[in-house]
Amino acid sequence: KAGVTQTPRYLIKTRGQQVTLSCSPISGHRSVSWYQQTPGQGLQFLFEYFSETQRNKGNFPGRFSGRQFSNSRSEMNVSTLELGDSALYLCASSFGRDVRTPEAFFGQGTRLTVV
Amino acid sequence: AQSVTQLDSQVPVFEEAPVELRCNYSSSVSVYLFWYVQYPNQGLQLLLKYLSGSTLVESINGFEAEFNKSQTSFHLRKPSVHISDTAEYFCAVRSGGSNYKLTFGKGTLLTVNP
Repeated sequence: KAGVTQTPRYLIKTRGQQVTLSCSPISGHRSVSWYQQTPGQGLQFLFEYFSETQRNKGNFPGRFSGRQFSNSRSEMNVSTLELGDSALYLCASSFGRDVRTPEAFFGQGTRLTVV
Repeated sequence: AQSVTQLDSQVPVFEEAPVELRCNYSSSVSVYLFWYVQYPNQGLQLLLKYLSGSTLVESINGFEAEFNKSQTSFHLRKPSVHISDTAEYFCAVRSGGSNYKLTFGKGTLLTVNP
């Protein structure tokens, strides 16, 4: 079956703009999590959605937001972009409830560059 | 709070040599443990997982990891590495229940030289 799909793969934005990233999880998965990866901070958890509800949230400013649709697809939005938001943004897909399969599967990521 | 420490940021080895990538975690509750691998300009691929049961887990490409509860460790090993194993490896921990947040280590860059 198809894996986790993230679009776009690459994005260049200007400071002050906003950006929306998209993630389509594996079919049947209802949990989508987002991570930011930078050389300095490593992999940091942004938030997790399950059945259209934000279930967990990391320590990021309110400029970072997300949502999940009824088909489990998720979008992440960053408003008022800063240079420090340049990163690889990764989406992870899980069943979200079955304890026998608690692992997450990741997409290829969206490389965001803010100039 | 949970944390993961990967003791080596870089590990260079020669092809066909054995390798061990070390991972220690801190958690006050029972956890699930994972190793992910990341190739350049790629996402993370799940290498192996420890959920419960046997403390030794294996992947299909020759890697294995052993869960040691008393030492809170989950070290990754491979008896003979290939050039194609060159990548960054991340250890991650997750608590049970409805919290699906993964806490990652800083990663270990494994470089296999001919």
